[in-house]
Amino acid sequence: QVQLVQSGAEVKKPGSSVKVSCKASGGTFSSYAISWVRQAPGQGLEWMGGIIPIFGTANYAQKFQGRVTITADESTSTAYMELSSLRSEDTAVYYCARDPWDCSGGSCWRHFDYWGQGTLVTVSS
Amino acid sequence: VIWMTQSPSLLSASTGDRVTISCRMSQGISSYLAWYQQKPGKAPELLIYAASTLQSGVPSRFSGSGSGTDFTLTISCLQSEDFATYYCQQYYSFPPSFGQGTKVEIK
Repeated sequence: QVQLVQSGAEVKKPGSSVKVSCKASGGTFSSYAISWVRQAPGQGLEWMGGIIPIFGTANYAQKFQGRVTITADESTSTAYMELSSLRSEDTAVYYCARDPWDCSGGSCWRHFDYWGQGTLVTVSS
Repeated sequence: VIWMTQSPSLLSASTGDRVTISCRMSQGISSYLAWYQQKPGKAPELLIYAASTLQSGVPSRFSGSGSGTDFTLTISCLQSEDFATYYCQQYYSFPPSFGQGTKVEIK
């Protein structure tokens, strides 16, 4: 059974950074992409970026380019998302999600079949 | 960038009703569309991908249709556990993006 387990809630000061982890089990980690999606309080879903571990490179939404870093450690089946220069608008629940990527048509990114439980990041002075 | 218009934003319905949610794209995306259900305080769950393929374990009362620019999620007979928020997601072009969501509430 596939599971994505994320690290716990964080409270951060404006201007600092946060790093959230996502440990996968029950599947072949390197065969899938991992995306990060965030949801501000009462708002919709926003894709931030993702990584295809077998390629080792990440892609980011333009909005987050330069502020987000997504990495993956195949030895521990864990993906990480680090967001820097935090501001109050970054207060949100951050989800990791598994993506059965496929570059045969459209973009290489696909739908998200399994999700982590979410990590609440609160940015407050 | 593909603009997505999901409607309605709020839908009031009763148990047993047939409900439809629409997702319209600013340009054609073939069938590169997924639908998710999200309940308060929980992560989204995949219902449908490739516009009409039901994810394993999802009840058959959920169905998806459409291609190109217009897509529909249909719940044939609304159950109490279906009151939630639904999102469409396109993955034809980069970056993947979500509709604004449709909250299905009890009438």
